[in-house]
Amino acid sequence: QVQLQESGPGLVKPSETLSLTCAVSGYSISSGYYWGWIRQPPGKGLEWIGSIYHSGSTYYNPSLKSRVTISVDTSKNQFSLKLSSVTAADTAVYYCARHTPETPLYWGQGTLVTVSS
Amino acid sequence: QLVLTQSPSASASLGASVKLTCTLSSGHSSYAIAWHQQQPEKGPRYLMKLNSDGSHSKGDGIPDRFSGSSSGAERYLTISSLQSEDEADYYCQTWGTGIQWVFGGGTKLTVL
Repeated sequence: QVQLQESGPGLVKPSETLSLTCAVSGYSISSGYYWGWIRQPPGKGLEWIGSIYHSGSTYYNPSLKSRVTISVDTSKNQFSLKLSSVTAADTAVYYCARHTPETPLYWGQGTLVTVSS
Repeated sequence: QLVLTQSPSASASLGASVKLTCTLSSGHSSYAIAWHQQQPEKGPRYLMKLNSDGSHSKGDGIPDRFSGSSSGAERYLTISSLQSEDEADYYCQTWGTGIQWVFGGGTKLTVL
């Protein structure tokens, strides 16, 4: 069974870079599918951040593109998110997911990242 | 603009059935959607993809109690024989060209 687990700092200072990793078990990232990040600010809706295809191609939400980098480490079967120049508006629960172009099929449990000094 | 509208809350009794609604914005009535469930303190779980003709394909391990149907711009999720663990937030989601996802605001289901 595919499982995804997010990890990373729960507190990030304004203007710094948020870094999260998603460890995947039960499926090899290099075998296929898209691997993406979605976030949910407290009390708000879900927002797709960006994704990486198993081949390495990346896709970003246009509204965040200038600040987002997603990469994959197939040797560790994990992928990562970096979001630069964060502000309080980036405070959210961050989820990783395995997905098709249409929809997430498997989600991680999420990790809360708070941006505060 | 592609928008999904959901009622903020719904409730039904243990053992009963409930039908949740997701409405596609004008001009998008042919779009398929997906339903996701988010139980308290857990990550979302993919339930099914639901097409405009009502056909649907469920995710791994999703019980038969969960079914989908469509009518015009409305997409429905019906949960029968409600159990306590069905108390959750339910999100509908659709997609445009490429990975351009749109999520509904979610419906909080309370099982009485």
